[in-house]
Amino acid sequence: GEQVEQRPPHLSVPEGDSAVIICTYTDSATAYFYWYKQEPGAGLQLLMSVFSNVDRKEEQGLTVLLNKKDKQLSLNLTAAHPGDSAVYFCAVSGSSSFSKLVFGQGTSLSVVP
Amino acid sequence: ETAVFQTPNYHVTQVGNEVSFNCKQTLGHDTMYWYKQDSKKLLKIMFSYNNKQLIVNETVPRRFSPQSSDKAHLNLRIKSVEPEDSAVYLCASSRTISNERLFFGHGTKLSVL
Repeated sequence: GEQVEQRPPHLSVPEGDSAVIICTYTDSATAYFYWYKQEPGAGLQLLMSVFSNVDRKEEQGLTVLLNKKDKQLSLNLTAAHPGDSAVYFCAVSGSSSFSKLVFGQGTSLSVVP
Repeated sequence: ETAVFQTPNYHVTQVGNEVSFNCKQTLGHDTMYWYKQDSKKLLKIMFSYNNKQLIVNETVPRRFSPQSSDKAHLNLRIKSVEPEDSAVYLCASSRTISNERLFFGHGTKLSVL
């Protein structure tokens, strides 16, 4: 079945710097890609979603890149600020209606003022 | 804005006791889920229900049983809790079963002494 590796597990960046989180998946039929953010004591909140026909998507200081050749998905937070400190998860699923959503292991991001 | 409500927020209990967690969504979604998040933040799906019907039942111990009275409610009962059940239990919903974004509740943190 699908496996997702997310790295790094922990990331600390100074305020204003960019932060990059990468997920590698195994199933070439993977069709849907998501990035979620989890703040302390809260559930996961969807940040961005892309379908497999999209290579790049930008929204509000976030950039998602999809490299289907290398089966890699990345999230780039440009000009990170302390409010971005949270745990970030990638998640992927296949195109079938009953495909399971598979989560990465999470990245704990700390943005230092 | 929260639209998936979980109760309680926290629960502390002793080994062997029974616990029940409640989840309600006000989004009119057809599908609901229970995830377990361990102390390392790893997420594992436990169950998913579509229109009150069990769709996914991952390999979880038999002491876990989901209960759905209607498509807006999905509760989780644990008979005779074990120490390894200590975790955050996250409820989520999606519009349909098919590759839709998930909306999460804030979670219920269970501590088994």
